[in-house]
This record gives sequence, C-alpha cells and structure tokens, in this order.
Amino acid sequence: DAKTTQPTSMDCAEGRAANLPCNHSTISGNEYVYWYRQIHSQGPQYIIHGLKNNETNEMASLIITEDRKSSTLILPHATLRDTAVYYCIVLSSGGSNYKLTFGKGTLLTVNP
Amino acid sequence: GAVVSQHPSRVICKSGTSVKIECRSLDFQATTMFWYRQFPKKSLMLMATSNEGSKATYEQGVEKDKFLINHASLTLSTLTVTSAHPEDSSFYICSARDPRTPAEQYFGPGTRLTVT
Repeated sequence: DAKTTQPTSMDCAEGRAANLPCNHSTISGNEYVYWYRQIHSQGPQYIIHGLKNNETNEMASLIITEDRKSSTLILPHATLRDTAVYYCIVLSSGGSNYKLTFGKGTLLTVNP
Repeated sequence: GAVVSQHPSRVICKSGTSVKIECRSLDFQATTMFWYRQFPKKSLMLMATSNEGSKATYEQGVEKDKFLINHASLTLSTLTVTSAHPEDSSFYICSARDPRTPAEQYFGPGTRLTVT
C-alpha cells in the first residue's frame, strides 16, 4: 500500500472549517483514500473514503486532486468534539483483507 | 454505523498471568476481525487478522503463541495475552468488517491492559 504524509498537528477555531491535507504521491490506480479519526483513548472511527471523485457525507467532504497525489479532508464546521488524530490511509480495496496501516496522523485541535 | 464492543474496557493483571479480551460485533456478522495494539502516543499497529472458522494471520514480529486469537463465531473474536509481562501493557483495539459495507471497518472502544 502507498504511504501517506500528513502534518503532525493543526489548529482550528470552533465553527470554522478544518482542512486536513494528505500527500499520497505514490498512490496506484486501484487504491482508495480513506480517512479515519481517533479521539483520545477511544477506537478509531471511519469518516469517509474515495477513489477519484470528491465525496461528501454527513461528517465531512473529501477532495482528491485530479492527479490523485494528494487529498484534503474538510470538516465544514469544526466543533470541540472534533479534536482528534486524523489518519489518511491509502488502501487497495481489491484485496480481501482490507488491512489498514495507520501512520502518525494529524492531531487536530479545535479551539473555543 | 455498525457497532463493535470490547470487554473488558480496562484490566490489570499480574505478571505471568493470562488475560482474555473479547471483541463482539453487535448488529452484524463479521467473517473478518482485526486486532491492533497501541502504545502511548503511538499509532495503531496491526497484530493479526482473525478469520471465522480458521487460524488467524499474524503480522511479522507478533508471536502467535503469546497472543492467541480465536474467532469461533461470526460475532465474537477473542485475544488472549498469555504469560503477560509489563511490556505487554498497552491499548488493544479490535475492528470488524460488516459484509454489507465491506470498505469500512468498525472499531471497538479498546481495552487498556496494565501488567504489574
């Protein structure tokens, strides 16, 4: 699976949009971009995933560049409860295992 | 989304004893479950893939005789840490795939193991 690069930490003001970048320059054609987050001392939580097109759900939006070498997770109106470590993972969904490899992620701190 | 539970949430045991951690999928049947370990301020490390009705697949460097995994039913996988030592103290997290939404993994709340 391709590796990803994320900033170590970011800050965001409550109520503002949080834009979390991820570089995955070695992503291959059948690899999806997944985002999970982990609130302190809890298990990770699935957020969103995509292949080529931008995706949106009730939690977030995922913007993938045309060359697919990077993506941005957008939390449109961040709240204090969104403070967590956000993991960007690229994964081939063609395999049967869907094994997730977690990097260091980005610690997003939402400030009042 | 689907719900995965773990039991216990916290456990303290003495060095040399064994500890069993349960992972249950509450509202779906999971043919595949995963076990992760997370040390303080570190990321999750996959330990093994648990397949219902067959032997678990362990990641490189994980001792299969020390971390016994049993996936006897479609809703339950167990991880037993045998002859625990203080260096096994960690946060153990399981996840499961719901066949209805195979691209997503649902994680349990984790089990904090402290070996004294």
